Amino acid sequence: GENVGLHLPTLSVQEGDNSIINCAYSNSASDYFIWYKQESGKGPQFIIDIRSNMDKRQGQRVTVLLNKTVKHLSLQIAATQPGDSAVYFCAEGGSARQLTFGSGTQLTVLP
Amino acid sequence: DAGVIQSPRHEVTEMGQEVTLRCKPISGHDYLFWYRQTMMRGLELLIYFNNNVPIDDSGMPEDRFSAKMPNASFSTLKIQPSEPRDSAVYFCASSGQVSRRGYTFGSGTRLTVV
Repeated sequence: GENVGLHLPTLSVQEGDNSIINCAYSNSASDYFIWYKQESGKGPQFIIDIRSNMDKRQGQRVTVLLNKTVKHLSLQIAATQPGDSAVYFCAEGGSARQLTFGSGTQLTVLP
Repeated sequence: DAGVIQSPRHEVTEMGQEVTLRCKPISGHDYLFWYRQTMMRGLELLIYFNNNVPIDDSGMPEDRFSAKMPNASFSTLKIQPSEPRDSAVYFCASSGQVSRRGYTFGSGTRLTVV
């Protein structure tokens, strides 16, 4: 029979509004975290990273917040644009080079 | 910089056939990763290499899957024999010591086994 797929969390925002995408990570020993954006038919693309000794980092229109107490990571996108529509993944990494990816959030920007 | 190059972009094959996916990492990157993405399981790490040497292949699902990296500029992921449940998008990614900690992903190979 058909596989039941993952139910991706979804977020719909109006163009021009701010978006907040959340992620819970699992390993308290992870020492860096990365947000990726994946558009349809493409591979994941690096957006921004943050080290575990930081709680906030800003990029162009994006801000990542890290709360190690509750193992929570968020990505804020300012003035969301149609081109921001994609699936967003958080990933955590440690001393080994491999990353562990979350399940992703589908962001849809409404006109 | 041409990025990570994967081929083919799409592959449709019959169950039981051998499938070979190819990857050219970014020049100078010394880590190479193979991931599989499905709706059921999301992104799964299959295997990764450092300086052409396999470091961790614990994600390879079965003996039907094998990966090689004969040199720093080329890697293959082979499935033999292929099965319908292998249908997925397979991504290759590379990373370098001095680059930012994230990976650079290729565009993926969409594999359909019928």
